[in-house]
Amino acid sequence: DAGVTQSPTHLIKTRGQQVTLRCSPKSGHDTVSWYQQALGQGPQFIFQYYEEEERQRGNFPDRFSGHQFPNYSSELNVNALLLGDSALYLCASSPDRASSGSPTSTQYFGPGTRLTVL
Amino acid sequence: AQSVAQPEDQVNVAEGNPLTVKCTYSVSGNPYLFWYVQYPNRGLQFLLKYITGDNLVKGSYGFEAEFNKSQTSFHLKKPSALVSDSALYFCAVRRYSSASKIIFGSGTRLSIRP
Repeated sequence: DAGVTQSPTHLIKTRGQQVTLRCSPKSGHDTVSWYQQALGQGPQFIFQYYEEEERQRGNFPDRFSGHQFPNYSSELNVNALLLGDSALYLCASSPDRASSGSPTSTQYFGPGTRLTVL
Repeated sequence: AQSVAQPEDQVNVAEGNPLTVKCTYSVSGNPYLFWYVQYPNRGLQFLLKYITGDNLVKGSYGFEAEFNKSQTSFHLKKPSALVSDSALYFCAVRRYSSASKIIFGSGTRLSIRP
């Protein structure tokens, strides 16, 4: 049983460009969350997708957008890249089935995508 | 607003000794607390969680954590440290009314010397 997978592993972009990161959740999981982890910091919540809709969003600008597909996989898009967007981007999945999102479900993380903006 | 504090950037312990990694939290309502570990160039691995019930929670790799409501703490412990426990540890909190959002602490680097 594959865990959470993310692609690509590493990515180098220049300022102003756009990037798309991809995530496949663990089998049986229908909820995907995205986090940004800057160097030396804890992960910061970007947003979560459930039933192909954004359920909740953290304090990130509209340059950060996402999508969830019918097979529960997800994409994170970042437009107009800034140097400060350089970070490890983590995807997490969880087996939430209830529309309210059970607080007791555990989020399982992928290995991340390391984005470097030059 | 909910928040998590990990007061120690680094904890150094000799192999075989007990270890404690500290975490305090601030949240309105019932807290749901988690510990994750991160090895170099890897994602976060789930260790354990507190939802309700016994204040002492047992998790993976021999780790346990003690929930203390009066002190708003959730310290991670292990009776006998291994060199392989060396990693970055994150405490996290989740609130039911914001069920989907987890707030992470800044992390504590645990270093176990042989």
